[in-house]
Amino acid sequence: GAVVSQHPSRVICKSGTSVKIECRSLDFQATTMFWYRQFPKKSLMLMATSNEGSKATYEQGVEKDKFLINHASLTLSTLTVTSAHPEDSSFYICSARDYGQGTFGQFFGPGTRLTVL
Amino acid sequence: SQQGEEDPQALSIQEGENATMNCSYKTSINNLQWYRQNSGRGLVHLILIRSNEREKHSGRLRVTLDTSKKSSSLLITASRAADTASYFCATDPDSWGKLQFGAGTQVVVTP
Repeated sequence: GAVVSQHPSRVICKSGTSVKIECRSLDFQATTMFWYRQFPKKSLMLMATSNEGSKATYEQGVEKDKFLINHASLTLSTLTVTSAHPEDSSFYICSARDYGQGTFGQFFGPGTRLTVL
Repeated sequence: SQQGEEDPQALSIQEGENATMNCSYKTSINNLQWYRQNSGRGLVHLILIRSNEREKHSGRLRVTLDTSKKSSSLLITASRAADTASYFCATDPDSWGKLQFGAGTQVVVTP
């Protein structure tokens, strides 16, 4: 199946700093990727849709200036958490759909654990 | 927003037993998907059932869909310790890939 990677897998940062998380589709092209956030023992909440070559679309309640998304190529989307605060600590997961496989299922990255001190 | 509600929230069984979990959703759907998540990891797509299907099998997995009741169930037969994970249903209301997840069922299979 298609593979999606994320980097880093884990990051600890100080409050006020910015953190960039990369999401890559390794063996397929993804014009659209999705970013989710997951709190401990909770479900995934869609944050935004990342569109290659255009602006991301954000879900209601998600601050676009706080969570900057860039989808510069068909295999890479980045999520930057700007001026991170402890409440931004969470598990961030990206996903992409491989239309070439003719399936509506999505492939998820392994996730990035962000801890803001 | 969270589309699906799942029950039970947690399920503890012994190896060899079957595990059944249910998912309900609110809006009309084109398809419903089930995913598995091991602790602290990403999600793995298990199975997708389309709105015009009532039942689907994949290995030891059996999924049913009742669109009149807006509900789905996932059955894992002959469970193994390696099946220990959280299981989520997800809907894609407009087929754009913007998945809405249920709360999940945490399954623990003891040897």
